[in-house]
Order: sequence, then structure tokens, then C-alpha cells
Amino acid sequence: KNQVEQSPQSLIILEGKNCTLQCNYTVSPFSNLRWYKQDTGRGPVSLTIMTFSENTKSNGRYTATLDADTKQSSLHITASQLSDSASYICVVTDRGSTLGRLYFGRGTQLTVWP
Amino acid sequence: EADIYQTPRYLVIGTGKKITLECSQTMGHDKMYWYQQDPGMELHLIHYSYGVNSTEKGDLSSESTVSRIRTEHFPLTLESARPSHTSQYLCASSEIRGGAEREGGNEQFFGPGTRLTVL
Repeated sequence: KNQVEQSPQSLIILEGKNCTLQCNYTVSPFSNLRWYKQDTGRGPVSLTIMTFSENTKSNGRYTATLDADTKQSSLHITASQLSDSASYICVVTDRGSTLGRLYFGRGTQLTVWP
Repeated sequence: EADIYQTPRYLVIGTGKKITLECSQTMGHDKMYWYQQDPGMELHLIHYSYGVNSTEKGDLSSESTVSRIRTEHFPLTLESARPSHTSQYLCASSEIRGGAEREGGNEQFFGPGTRLTVL
């Protein structure tokens, strides 16, 4: 069964600190993995996309890593800001689907305190 | 920011009412999707469309229906709302581009969502 598991479920950090969110997946065949940021009451917005051959990608203070062998990804946030408070969702695309079937994790709810 | 819009943003209605959730995108995308999301849970695909006059059911069974008469518009209708329909509904769209389609990885752009509460 294709699944995407994220940890931790929730995380509270102080402004300016770094944090790392984890994603494990069993989706196969694998096409790509995206990290989305979803603010409360809003739709998800893509932060990074990684294909099979990529093992790290950065977008400003966000750095995603991918280990396709162990089927693990992480999202590292550097020097957190209050605006980073949101749910971060790991999404894996199934290569075998003509639709480009997406499998969503439940997200990590990040709260940044001043 | 993606050009995909949903109305209303919030809706509180009584049981048995018929409702239509609107979704429009101005990006000319062929593919459109409807997801249902409960608090702390993953998004579940309930409907999708490859283009005009194409509609398919997603993975999560839903009593809602959709239509795709125009490329830019993908409304979702509930004929008789029930409390079990209370949820957040997210609309998304994506386009097909050669290489990216083979990778199955075109980005889906999401609307802001409609928070539906059925009393």
C-alpha cells in the first residue's frame, strides 16, 4: 500500500531556531517528492520538488533532502520566522499513474514562538 | 501566487440544502481536482477532470458531483448536505507538459479552499 508518513506530528520552536521535518514513503514507482506549506485556512503552496536523481534542493531558508534508496526525505528550516508557522506536507507522485497520482502525508504542524 | 479561486471561502448551512462550491482558474490548465481535508488529516482526492466534458471519481467516495463545461471552471455540487459533509474542500489544477508529464510530476496549484459546515 502506498503511504506517506511524516514526523513529528507537531513541533514548537522559538523564532530564529532551526528545525528538521521528516517524511518516509512507500510509494512505488516513485516519480518525485514535493514539500508543500499550508497556512491555516489556505491551500498548500509548493516549496520544493525533488526527482529520483536529486538528493538536495534549497529554496531560501528551506532545504529538502531525498534518499531514494531508503525512501526518506527531510525538510530543514533555517533561522525560523513567525511566518513559518504552518503545516508542512510531504507529497509523493506515483510514476505509474497517468494522472500523476499524488500521495499526501498528514503534515507536520509547526509553530514558531517569538 | 497561483490564479485559482474558490468561493465561498466559508459556508454554514442546514441539513438537506443543495450547495455548489465554485472553483475557477485562469492559467488554462487542463487538469483540475477536488480534494477533501479534515483537520490534521491528509488530503483525499474526491474528483478530477482531464479537460472539458471529462470527470472522474477519486479515491475517496463522495456524494458530491462535479461538472466541467468550461476549461477554467470546475464546480462541485452537493444535492442534499449532511453534517458528515462538514470539511474543507480544496480545488487544484495542473497542466500537461511533455517531459514533466512523463515524470508524472506537474505541480498542482491549490485554491484557498472552502470551509463547509453543515448543521
